[in-house]
Amino acid sequence: QKEVEQNSGPLSVPEGAIASLNCTYSDRGSQSFFWYRQYSGKSPELIMFIYSNGDKEDGRFTAQLNKASQYVSLLIRDSQPSDSATYLCAVKDTGGFKTIFGAGTRLFVKA
Amino acid sequence: EAQVTQNPRYLITVTGKKLTVTCSQNMNHEYMSWYRQDPGLGLRQIYYSMNVEVTDKGDVPEGYKVSRKEKRNFPLILESPSPNQTSLYFCASSLSGTSEETQYFGPGTRLLVL
Repeated sequence: QKEVEQNSGPLSVPEGAIASLNCTYSDRGSQSFFWYRQYSGKSPELIMFIYSNGDKEDGRFTAQLNKASQYVSLLIRDSQPSDSATYLCAVKDTGGFKTIFGAGTRLFVKA
Repeated sequence: EAQVTQNPRYLITVTGKKLTVTCSQNMNHEYMSWYRQDPGLGLRQIYYSMNVEVTDKGDVPEGYKVSRKEKRNFPLILESPSPNQTSLYFCASSLSGTSEETQYFGPGTRLLVL
């Protein structure tokens, strides 16, 4: 059974701090990795995607991928109260048609 | 506006009464998928469709049926709902389903089976 593991949290950080969210996956052949943000009662929305080893930056968000360690992370710089949400890590399998989601990490940013 | 729509948004039903949740997208996407979301378990894929008349099972297909007769629609059918199918359901679509694409999610359907 292919798995994606996330710490459920909650992760609590003060406003302006860096929030670090982590994810590990079991399928070594996985090709693409996504971070979604989900506010309570809402649908997931894409934050970032990453395919290659290393870092990818988009504004306050940085995704990091290490395929050898089967590890992907999301850093949120200058965290804002509006960043308080559940962050879902998603991994597409080798074929690309199936997506496995982690259970999500709840983030609280305290003003 | 590009979007994925689902109906109904909320549904309360009883065990064994057949129901259909509709999903429609206006982006001409080939790939569509259904997920259920339960506390502590994240989103789990039920079925997906790569194109019209092409569907395949996800991780939790038991108790569900789907059909893809038109490109824009991908209904989820529960022939005989049971209480363990009480969940939040999301439909999603993407252009062709390849590994490089993200998915666009509908607003969700909250189902309660009594």
